Amino acid sequence: AQSVTQLGSHVSVSEGALVLLRCNYSSSVPPYLFWYVQYPNQGLQLLLKYTSAATLVKGINGFEAEFKKSETSFHLTKPSAHMSDAAEYFCAVARAGSARQLTFGSGTQLTVLP
Amino acid sequence: DGGITQSPKYLFRKEGQNVTLSCEQNLNHDAMYWYRQDPGQGLRLIYYSQIVNDFQKGDIAEGYSVSREKKESFPLTVTSAQKNPTAFYLCASSTSTAHFGNEQYFGPGTRLTVT
Repeated sequence: AQSVTQLGSHVSVSEGALVLLRCNYSSSVPPYLFWYVQYPNQGLQLLLKYTSAATLVKGINGFEAEFKKSETSFHLTKPSAHMSDAAEYFCAVARAGSARQLTFGSGTQLTVLP
Repeated sequence: DGGITQSPKYLFRKEGQNVTLSCEQNLNHDAMYWYRQDPGQGLRLIYYSQIVNDFQKGDIAEGYSVSREKKESFPLTVTSAQKNPTAFYLCASSTSTAHFGNEQYFGPGTRLTVT
């Protein structure tokens, strides 16, 4: 079965500092991985996705993630944090089988300090 | 503008009452999903539908029911059998289940409070 683990339920960074949000996955098949962002009381918005085309994936708002098979990781990074990046971030993996369900991690709340 | 709408944004009900949450999409997507979100638990799948007139239980279907009579609509009913219905409910859709890489698009959510 596919699963994801997000290390750190809360991460705080200073404005302008590097953002690193960790995601490790478990999958019995080649994984398809996603990062979503959620602002308070809103739905989820796709940041980026890995579908085996390239290991370094660039997304919206300056975010990127690198797929590392040897480490079973798909960490999300951004070189310089902005106040508007404060939100909750979810890593997800597509499940094997039909319907292409997603399994989500428990989320990481990012706080950006002035 | 294409997208997913959920109504209402906030919903309050008394314990023992059934309540139906609306989800409509105009993206022409085949697949639709319902998730429940609780603090610190991420999203958990309640029901999903790959095609009109067909749906399957997700991981936490007990106490919920759905219908898919139209491609655009996938309403969720929270029944009185659901032990802890207070939560944030999210609806999503996807273009096709034919490819693993197809992402899901989410609506703005409905926050249900049952007292």
